[in-house]
Amino acid sequence: RKEVEQDPGPFNVPEGATVAFNCTYSNSASQSFFWYRQDCRKEPKLLMSVYSSGNEDGRFTAQLNRASQYISLLIRDSKLSDSATYLCVVRPHAGKSTFGDGTTLTVKP
Amino acid sequence: DAGVIQSPRHEVTEMGQEVTLRCKPISGHDYLFWYRQTMMRGLELLIYFNNNVPIDDSGMPEDRFSAKMPNASFSTLKIQPSEPRDSAVYFCASSRLAGYTDTQYFGPGTRLTVL
Repeated sequence: RKEVEQDPGPFNVPEGATVAFNCTYSNSASQSFFWYRQDCRKEPKLLMSVYSSGNEDGRFTAQLNRASQYISLLIRDSKLSDSATYLCVVRPHAGKSTFGDGTTLTVKP
Repeated sequence: DAGVIQSPRHEVTEMGQEVTLRCKPISGHDYLFWYRQTMMRGLELLIYFNNNVPIDDSGMPEDRFSAKMPNASFSTLKIQPSEPRDSAVYFCASSRLAGYTDTQYFGPGTRLTVL
């Protein structure tokens, strides 16, 4: 079993739709969590950190459920520019990050 | 401020040749990470350094791979001899600290093709 698992998708949604991605992790001692975004043939870039109480950044909302060991990302009012691969990242201890394989989102006009 | 710089951006080589990938981290960042990304295995951490010292190289696939960081502004990842299965995108990333919440900034990557 992989340390971090994501539904690879692809998710194909129309503009304006709401879409949610989930990610599960196996190491219950993991301390910090992130969502990264990766555009085709580009480097991953931090989208947002995920805090225990949940957090929001504009149209993006991240949630953490430690009991069930999963994190989620909700995107509201999807834009064409949201099309990308979204990587779930878990940091079991300082220094070392484990990346999920990513979920691909395509937003269509 | 310039981001993480990697060179070359693309490398095509033949099996058995030596390949050297280069990275310049963001100035002031004390941590440097080398990752490899493939369709089959996703993004994998190969090795990371703190203040030029290798901390964890458990992700280095085999002895053909070696990494060095001779100073705070330069690191290399060397593959000798290269094999077709080494074909991947190699990313370098840096962070100021390596605490639980510190952000890693990635370079644009080196796309390696071994024929």
